[in-house]
Amino acid sequence: EIVLTQSPDFQSVTPKEKVTITCRASQSIGSSLHWYQQKPGQSPKLLIKYASQSISGVPSRFSGSGSGTDFTLTINSLETEDAATYYCHQCSSLPWTFGQGTKVEIK
Amino acid sequence: QVQLVESGGGVVQPGRSLRLSCAASGFTFSDYGMHWVRQAPGKGLEWVAVIWYDGRHEYYADSVKGRFTISRDNSKNTVYLQMSSLRAEDTAVYYCASPEGKFGVAHPIDSWGQGTLVTVSS
Repeated sequence: EIVLTQSPDFQSVTPKEKVTITCRASQSIGSSLHWYQQKPGQSPKLLIKYASQSISGVPSRFSGSGSGTDFTLTINSLETEDAATYYCHQCSSLPWTFGQGTKVEIK
Repeated sequence: QVQLVESGGGVVQPGRSLRLSCAASGFTFSDYGMHWVRQAPGKGLEWVAVIWYDGRHEYYADSVKGRFTISRDNSKNTVYLQMSSLRAEDTAVYYCASPEGKFGVAHPIDSWGQGTLVTVSS
């Protein structure tokens, strides 16, 4: 099973600041890494697919990078509505797995 | 647009069984694999199971293998999760989810239901 480890677990950030969340895979997964945002009481929402591909309707301040084992989600100029938990997810190798999540709080 | 509506959750005693259903609409259901993903209270997402578009193949997380069975009825646009020998640690919101790509399962999940809560408690 591929283990995904996110860092940090928690981040408290002021609006307009830049946020960087990393996701490390226990073995190479190419670019089969996707990012989700989940707000309290809501279902997850796909933010970035295949490490760096943007999703229609997702604000351009969200971007992704990386390949192999190391990946990054970047939120440029954080807005208050971005308060949420962010998860990485791999579908390179069954069983699919998720990272443990990174909670982003607005200061 | 894609709509996934789960049902069947509730309170169940340890060791008992429960069947979840997910009714899909807004897309050609028989062209897509389907997933179940769960989230224990206050915890992260855990992938549970997937079934191929034609129902021929299934795959499970180790934590549920041998106890849970995923199935589908393409004539009813519905996917099921039969849960047996339930444990307290199976308590979670269970989401039905569909990937963005047809036929294969190695696609990102782009549609989620609202979830149904399963509570395993005596």
